[in-house]
Amino acid sequence: EVQLLESGGGLVQPGGSLRLSCAASGFTFTSYAMSWVRQAPGKGLEWVSAMSGSGGSTHDITYYADSVKGRFTISRDNSKKTLYLQMNSLRAEDTAVYYCARETLLTYNEYSDIDYWGQGTLVTVSS
Amino acid sequence: QFVLTQPPSVSAAPGQNVTISCSGSSSNIGSYYVSWYQQLPGKAPKLLIYDNNRRPSGIPDRFSGSKSVTSATLGITGLQTGDEADYYCETWNSSLTVGRVFGGGTKLTVL
Repeated sequence: EVQLLESGGGLVQPGGSLRLSCAASGFTFTSYAMSWVRQAPGKGLEWVSAMSGSGGSTHDITYYADSVKGRFTISRDNSKKTLYLQMNSLRAEDTAVYYCARETLLTYNEYSDIDYWGQGTLVTVSS
Repeated sequence: QFVLTQPPSVSAAPGQNVTISCSGSSSNIGSYYVSWYQQLPGKAPKLLIYDNNRRPSGIPDRFSGSKSVTSATLGITGLQTGDEADYYCETWNSSLTVGRVFGGGTKLTVL
């Protein structure tokens, strides 16, 4: 059974940093691209970042939404089957539930979908 | 605000049929496959439809998807109270912001 378990959320002041983790199990972690998707309270879904799997020519390529580019960094530790999101220079508008998600392909592209989601971790940016 | 436009809410009685629309442009829906996600209250989203009209294993055939030019539609037949949820369309966008985009979501109320 595919499982994605996020952790690391919490309350942080504007300008602060936070690192989210997503522990994956039940599938071959290296064979899939992974994404972070967030949802502000009472709002819709926003794709945040993705990282390709570790096979072929698409080894560990990263992608970011314009809203977080330069502030967030996605990474993965394949030995620990864990996905990370390092969030720096946090703003109030970054307040959201952050979901870890598995892409259906090795690469993040127009042909991939998200087939599994974690339960999410809440990040609150406030003074 | 959202590249893909969905009605904020729809409602219908149990047993009835309902459709949810998703409107885009030639830079997104017009060029790429559309997916639909269901988000039950307090839960994570769940893939409902992919590649415009395909259902993942375990999704009942009461759910269907279609696409025409720059719009997509999610259909639900024989509504059940358990279908009450938020529904999001999603596709790829190739203009201005390139990447995955979601619609604003539609709240389905089963009366």
